[in-house]
Amino acid sequence: DTGVSQDPRHKITKRGQNVTFRCDPISEHNRLYWYRQTLGQGPEFLTYFQNEAQLEKSRLLSDRFSAERPKGSFSTLEIQRTEQGDSAMYLCASSLAGTAVREQYFGPGTRLTVT
Amino acid sequence: EDQVTQSPEALRLQEGESSSLNCSYTVSGLRGLFWYRQDPGKGPEFLFTLYSAGEEKEKERLKATLTKKESFLHITAPKPEDSATYLCAVFSGAGSYQLTFGKGTKLSVIP
Repeated sequence: DTGVSQDPRHKITKRGQNVTFRCDPISEHNRLYWYRQTLGQGPEFLTYFQNEAQLEKSRLLSDRFSAERPKGSFSTLEIQRTEQGDSAMYLCASSLAGTAVREQYFGPGTRLTVT
Repeated sequence: EDQVTQSPEALRLQEGESSSLNCSYTVSGLRGLFWYRQDPGKGPEFLFTLYSAGEEKEKERLKATLTKKESFLHITAPKPEDSATYLCAVFSGAGSYQLTFGKGTKLSVIP
C-alpha cells in the first residue's frame, strides 16, 4: 500500500498527559499537512510542511501543539497537557509540490479520546 | 476568509434515485475546488478537482460541475455502496496552502 499511513489509529489518554502521533506521507510527496476533524464537521487545517520546513500554522494550533518533519519524510504531531477539547480525529495529508494546484491525499486518521 | 457551505446536511435516496449535492463557496480567488468522499471512521478519499467555471468531471455514477459561486455533485442511479459523507473543499492560495472544507453532506442510499 503506497498511501498515507498514520499511527496509532486510536489513542485514549487521560487529561494532562502528552501524546504523539506519526504520519508517513506518500513517498514522492514533499508537502505534508495536518488537519483536525470533530464529529459533524469538515477537517480544519492545523499546519503545513514543505520538505522539512514548517511554512504555515493555523491559529487553532495552540502552544500545546507542536509538529515536526525531520529530514522531510515522516511527520509527528505532539499535544502536551491534553484537554478534553482535544478529542478529535487527527488527519494527515500529503501532496506533490509544483505551480499547479494539487489534490491532497489523506491518511486514515488517528482518533484521540481524552478522558 | 474562505467559506464553504454544503447542502443538504443529510440526504436519503432510494437505490436508483438520482440527485445532486450543493457546495456554495466564497473565496478571494478560487484556484481549485475539491470533492472528497469520507466513510465513517476513515480519512477523506479524493474524488475530483475542478479549476474553473464551466468545468465538469465524471467518475462512474458521479459528476462534478463548477460555476463561479457553487459546485454540484450529481449522483446518477446511486447504489447502497455510494452511502458516505461527501465533502467539498476550496483552495484560494491567498498566502496559504490550506484547504477550507464544508461540513459535508451525509448521503444514505436505501436498497
